[in-house]
Amino acid sequence: NAGVTQTPKFQVLKTGQSMTLQCAQDMNHNSMYWYRQDPGMGLRLIYYSASEGTTDKGEVPNGYNVSRLNKREFSLRLESAAPSQTSVYFCASSVRGAYEQYFGPGTRLTVT
Amino acid sequence: GESVGLHLPTLSVQEGDNSIINCAYSNSASDYFIWYKQESGKGPQFIIDIRSNMDKRQGQRVTVLLNKTVKHLSLQIAATQPGDSAVYFCAETPPGGGADGLTFGKGTHLIIQP
Repeated sequence: NAGVTQTPKFQVLKTGQSMTLQCAQDMNHNSMYWYRQDPGMGLRLIYYSASEGTTDKGEVPNGYNVSRLNKREFSLRLESAAPSQTSVYFCASSVRGAYEQYFGPGTRLTVT
Repeated sequence: GESVGLHLPTLSVQEGDNSIINCAYSNSASDYFIWYKQESGKGPQFIIDIRSNMDKRQGQRVTVLLNKTVKHLSLQIAATQPGDSAVYFCAETPPGGGADGLTFGKGTHLIIQP
């Protein structure tokens, strides 16, 4: 099993450009999450999907959209990137709710 | 909402010594806690968990202690090795579980001195 995979690993964008971060899990988990991690800020929840077909905002959703494409895949889209979105993005999944989450390797995004 | 916090941002220990990383939580009704390890350039990795009806749980070289009276969680790592150098996060589950996931602390950076 690959666990949680994310693509790309690194990305540099110019202000105003758009992109989609991809995440997939092969553990048959119901819940999936997108976090951003900034120095000194810990992990902050952007969006989550408690189950296939549902998505909800987390702590810092502004400037992002998500799609739960199917049970395996959960993508994060930046429609118009801003320098404040420079961060490391992690996708995670869990069987359900607020229990053990498995994390992907992260995407390091720089917006210039 | 309530959040999980850590006492020390950085902890430096000698290789072979035991390490203790502390975490204070403020939601006395939280019922599940996890410790994660994050190595440089990688995603957080599950280490060990504990439920609120327990006060101690042991894994391989790691022990988690839960003191509900003072709302304190600690991670003990025995005989630290260079590979233990990482940032360690505690996380909690809100009462009743939450669809929006765990609440994470900011992390403690553990440095192993040779």
